[in-house]
Amino acid sequence: DVKVTQSSRYLVKRTGEKVFLECVQDMDHENMFWYRQDPGLGLRLIYFSYDVKMKEKGDIPEGYSVSREKKERFSLILESASTNQTSMYLCASSREEIETQYFGPGTRLLVL
Amino acid sequence: GQQLNQSPQSMFIQEGEDVSMNCTSSSIFNTWLWYKQDPGEGPVLLIALYKAGELTSNGRLTAQFGITRKDSFLNISASIPSDVGIYFCAGQLKGSGYALNFGKGTSLLVTP
Repeated sequence: DVKVTQSSRYLVKRTGEKVFLECVQDMDHENMFWYRQDPGLGLRLIYFSYDVKMKEKGDIPEGYSVSREKKERFSLILESASTNQTSMYLCASSREEIETQYFGPGTRLLVL
Repeated sequence: GQQLNQSPQSMFIQEGEDVSMNCTSSSIFNTWLWYKQDPGEGPVLLIALYKAGELTSNGRLTAQFGITRKDSFLNISASIPSDVGIYFCAGQLKGSGYALNFGKGTSLLVTP
């Protein structure tokens, strides 16, 4: 079974803090993705990576950065958290050229 | 990314009833995927469709890739209380690379 894990299920941070969300997959997938999910807006792609050290902006990259130093790990970074970044963050991975994405359990982030 | 038009937005049914939901787009898709998301969890893949006209079953679930490649439906037969959740369609646009486009979800409630 594909397994995608995320470092925290729930996180509470203060405005201005630097926040790291970690995602690890154990299936040797080439592609990894970060989404945020908000009521009424569905899933929106923040960043994705198709190889180590490679990254591509998604639909809403502003306020976020990412890091992929190892194939199995993809980190999402909020340089200075703001209240409008309160959301559910979902990580996903897929094999190269295969569109099926497998999701982690999500991190619910609250920024106060 | 382009949002898919998913309907209905929500359904409230009795146990044992059949359920049908669909997704449409004005663009041609290479792949259609159906996910289920339980409250507070990440989406779980139910069915993946890769060819126009393809009809695939997974237990009580059946999904089809529309012949025009612009739509897909998901049917659930003989619903049970554990079918409760949000169902998402997702698709990959032809020539779009790795990213998926998502519908906004159908929220399903099943009463015993």
